[in-house]
Amino acid sequence: GAVVSQHPSWVICKSGTSVKIECRSLDFQATTMFWYRQFPKQSLMLMATSNEGSKATYEQGVEKDKFLINHASLTLSTLTVTSAHPEDSSFYICSARKDFTNTEAFFGQGTRLTVV
Amino acid sequence: DAKTTQPPSMDCAEGRAANLPCNHSTISGNEYVYWYRQIHSQGPQYIIHGLKNNETNEMASLIITEDRKSSTLILPHATLRDTAVYYCIVRVRGNTGANSKLTFGKGITLSVRP
Repeated sequence: GAVVSQHPSWVICKSGTSVKIECRSLDFQATTMFWYRQFPKQSLMLMATSNEGSKATYEQGVEKDKFLINHASLTLSTLTVTSAHPEDSSFYICSARKDFTNTEAFFGQGTRLTVV
Repeated sequence: DAKTTQPPSMDCAEGRAANLPCNHSTISGNEYVYWYRQIHSQGPQYIIHGLKNNETNEMASLIITEDRKSSTLILPHATLRDTAVYYCIVRVRGNTGANSKLTFGKGITLSVRP
């Protein structure tokens, strides 16, 4: 199979602090990983595309300095929410693809972030 | 990527077949149809994909019309655990990097009743 694991599953943090979310492909190497955000009763919104060893490509309207993405290896990508505010509270989901010939994206279980 | 339209919701009885429609009238010749589902508070799960031929796997069947402008996902024997939001997405297979992203619409909420 193709398993993508996110950690933590949920996190509560204080306003102004930073939170790091990890996304790991457990049984395959992922050249490309994607980060999504989902607000209650809404669909998934793509935040950025991350390629191993290069800078992430952010979607329009997503602040790259606030949502730091690092894809240092073929099995790990991290999303850091810096200076978190209550409006950043959301469900963050990552996905990974094996390679360009296999476009079935596999998703992590998601991370529920609550900023208080 | 071509846009898709799905009804907002539908329901079906447990044990019966659930037929989820999707319109993609502007689909291009090299675009595939993908189906994902998202159970509440979980990440999306891949179900099936196809180009023009009907496809079947252990989860579902995908029926694509001859003109490829619409498709139907069939869950042959729906269970309560199939209650989820189902997303129909069309995109080109084989693109890399940023062009390989999946764009989610609103999906269709399937409610399976006992």
